[in-house]
Amino acid sequence: EAGVAQSPRYKIIEKRQSVAFWCNPISGHATLYWYQQILGQGPKLLIQFQNNGVVDDSQLPKDRFSAERLKGVDSTLKIQPAKLEDSAVYLCASRQDGGEQFFGPGTRLTVL
Amino acid sequence: KQEVTQIPAALSVPEGENLVLNCSFTDSAIYNLQWFRQDPGKGLTSLLLIQSSQREQTSGRLNASLDKSSGRSTLYIAASQPGDSATYLCAVRYGGATNKLIFGTGTLLAVQP
Repeated sequence: EAGVAQSPRYKIIEKRQSVAFWCNPISGHATLYWYQQILGQGPKLLIQFQNNGVVDDSQLPKDRFSAERLKGVDSTLKIQPAKLEDSAVYLCASRQDGGEQFFGPGTRLTVL
Repeated sequence: KQEVTQIPAALSVPEGENLVLNCSFTDSAIYNLQWFRQDPGKGLTSLLLIQSSQREQTSGRLNASLDKSSGRSTLYIAASQPGDSATYLCAVRYGGATNKLIFGTGTLLAVQP
């Protein structure tokens, strides 16, 4: 069974630029999560989707972050414009109903 | 506020030593607790999941215990190996519709050959 796929794996941008990350969850997993992991900290949930609907986006900085999962499968997370403090690893996870979360390899973002 | 704390933040041990990693959580009304391993540049790999009704789970050289009443969990690693070097994260899931995991800050483990 293929795992959660994410791209790109690494991204370096300058502050005020825009960036987008892509996630392809495990086939059949209805729930998809985006986490932000700042260096030296544990992952923090940004947004959770159930199929193509948002379940929890209470910790998403909505002035600059947006996410979508239009067809209930793949998802994109966008930052516009990026700030220095957005430098982090962005992890995507997916879950089947009643199961545990499986994580992708993450995208490491560096904002200069 | 629901918080998860892990101590120590970093640990270095010689190969072969047994070790214990600690996790504490402020709200004891958990659904389950999970231990993950994270290697540099990689995602999270689930090691053990303990349901709230369980006291411990074992997998190979790993044993995780859970004491809900005191808000604590420990991960015991027996006969450590250099390949065990990684960051270990504890995550707590509370009830409700979101199934959100709240993570600790992790323990960075280095096993010296």
